[in-house]
This record gives sequence, structure tokens and C-alpha cells, in this order.
Amino acid sequence: GAVVSQHPSRVICKSGTSVKIECRSLDFQATTMFWYRQFPKQSLMLMATSNEGSKATYEQGVEKDKFLINHASLTLSTLTVTSAHPEDSSFYICSGLGTSRSTDTQYFGPGTRLTVL
Amino acid sequence: DAKTTQPPSMDCAEGRAANLPCNHSTISGNEYVYWYRQIHSQGPQYIIHGLKNNETNEMASLIITEDRKSSTLILPHATLRDTAVYYCIAVKTSYDKVIFGPGTSLSVIP
Repeated sequence: GAVVSQHPSRVICKSGTSVKIECRSLDFQATTMFWYRQFPKQSLMLMATSNEGSKATYEQGVEKDKFLINHASLTLSTLTVTSAHPEDSSFYICSGLGTSRSTDTQYFGPGTRLTVL
Repeated sequence: DAKTTQPPSMDCAEGRAANLPCNHSTISGNEYVYWYRQIHSQGPQYIIHGLKNNETNEMASLIITEDRKSSTLILPHATLRDTAVYYCIAVKTSYDKVIFGPGTSLSVIP
């Protein structure tokens, strides 16, 4: 149980285009989802916290107009990278907040590798 | 959330137990210790969590010291597939967000 999927697994796009990444909780409802970014040889960096039906909360330094997050249902959150540039190339990972032994636990998706040319 | 400290890297022989330490000396009473691992180019995988009692599941055992200032994740019989970066995190029960440190890079050697 507690499976999170992401689509696509990898995407290559041209500079200036927008890319949408989907995050789905497959066997549980996630009122809260998180979006992370990971650069090579670095740890995960939290970008934003997404709550179903409300606006996302962005971490300091993350541009909300560039990284649009929509959490329209209890099983789906999307991250849109608008006007992507090569410096946005990264590994994007989402997680859904589920429950393990009655305790809130984050379950992560497999990640999406974005390459901007 | 309390800061955690882990060794940057460890080696373990295949088939032996891997013992990964974590220091969380400033942990508060309502913070759980969670362990995740990340295999190269994949999303993190939840392993185990605990509050003050030792815990065991099909993947690993978690030993938390009585003063809760440190813990050890034990993989009883390490395999090559256990090679990964292991993250120890201390978070409150509300679990509103998690800050990942650099973790421990475990290499299981044949």
C-alpha cells in the first residue's frame, strides 16, 4: 500500500516552454502533498506544500509564478514549470502524506527527470 | 524539527548486518524518528519510524536510545540492492514538512 506515481518519468523540452508533472496517490487519499527538487549529488530540497482545495505554500526562494501547483483532488497534484530554462533541469519528486501505524508518513513518487535544452 | 547528524558514508559486506547511526540530540518529546532511503535516480522509500520504543518491520529494525538522543537503523542481512543513501529525520507528529539532510551513503560490497 501507500503508492505514489508520477508522470512523466522523464521529459525533455525546449527553453521557454512549459512542462506539467502529475503526482498521484494510487491507494490512499493525500490531503497534503509535497514537491521537492534534487540536483545531482545533492539532497532533496522542499519546494512547496500542497493542500487539496487551497493554495500551495512555497518555500523561501521558490517562485510561485514559475512553479505552479494545483492540488484539485485528494489523489492528484500537478506541478507546472512555466517558461522553463536550462537551470530548471532537475529531478522533481512529489510525496503524499499518508498514514503508517496511525502516524502521518510521507510516501514518495519515483521522480521526474526534467531536462531543458 | 530537530537537526539530525549522520556519517556521510559507510561500507558493509554483503550478508552482514548494516548498522546506520543517527544523532538527534535536540529531539523533542513529540518528534518521531523516520528513516528513508533513496536508491540512485529513484524517489525516497519509507523504511521505518519510531517514537521511543524499538521497532521492527520486514525491511529493518530501529533502535532508539532511552534518552532518545540517537538511534540506529539495522538492516539485518544487507544485500547489494540495499546500496543507497539513507536519511534519518526527526519530525513532529503533525509532519507538516520534512527537511532532508545529506544522509549516509551506504555501499554494500560483495
